[in-house]
Amino acid sequence: AQTVTQSQPEMSVQEAETVTLSCTYDTSESDYYLFWYKQPPSRQMILVIRQEAYKQQNATENRFSVNFQKAAKSFSLKISDSQLGDAAMYFCAYRKINSGGSNYKLTFGKGTLLTVNP
Amino acid sequence: DAGVIQSPRHEVTEMGQEVTLRCKPISGHNSLFWYRQTMMRGLELLIYFNNNVPIDDSGMPEDRFSAKMPNASFSTLKIQPSEPRDSAVYFCASSSQGGVTEAFFGQGTRLTVV
Repeated sequence: AQTVTQSQPEMSVQEAETVTLSCTYDTSESDYYLFWYKQPPSRQMILVIRQEAYKQQNATENRFSVNFQKAAKSFSLKISDSQLGDAAMYFCAYRKINSGGSNYKLTFGKGTLLTVNP
Repeated sequence: DAGVIQSPRHEVTEMGQEVTLRCKPISGHNSLFWYRQTMMRGLELLIYFNNNVPIDDSGMPEDRFSAKMPNASFSTLKIQPSEPRDSAVYFCASSSQGGVTEAFFGQGTRLTVV
């Protein structure tokens, strides 16, 4: 079974600084998707960034980027120029690649609570 | 599109009562997921459907929980009888097939069983 591990229950960063959130996963699949979701106090789950495992290039979305190390099964999220609005719970998620028209479930890590200090 | 719509947003009920949570997925999405979030256990998948058919219900805690998807635009999660340990936030999510398909989440139902 696939598992996702986020080893940092809490992290903090100063406004305008950079922070990296860690995620490792376990799978026997060679192709899959990885995601980072953000959950602010409103509890809405918001997609931050996605990565296809077959792509070697790390995904980037504005101030958010990932460091995807397939061999090490590591998928960290870097937030640059942190803003107060980045304060939230961040979840790493894994999804087996779609096959034959069927979707597979998302498996989530337990989350990292990010605090941004002014 | 209005996104995934869940109702109610909040539910407070007494132990032993029946609770029904509702979800309307995004139009055109063919997969629907029910997750439960607690501080202790994080986000747990309870059940998911593809094309209205339950695919994996191994996360359903026990027979008190049941889920249905009678058509592509509606799903329910029912707890009968409810217990205090069922108190959690319940999320519904949907996704489409093809490409990198992330799941889109509703705003969740916060259930409190007293």
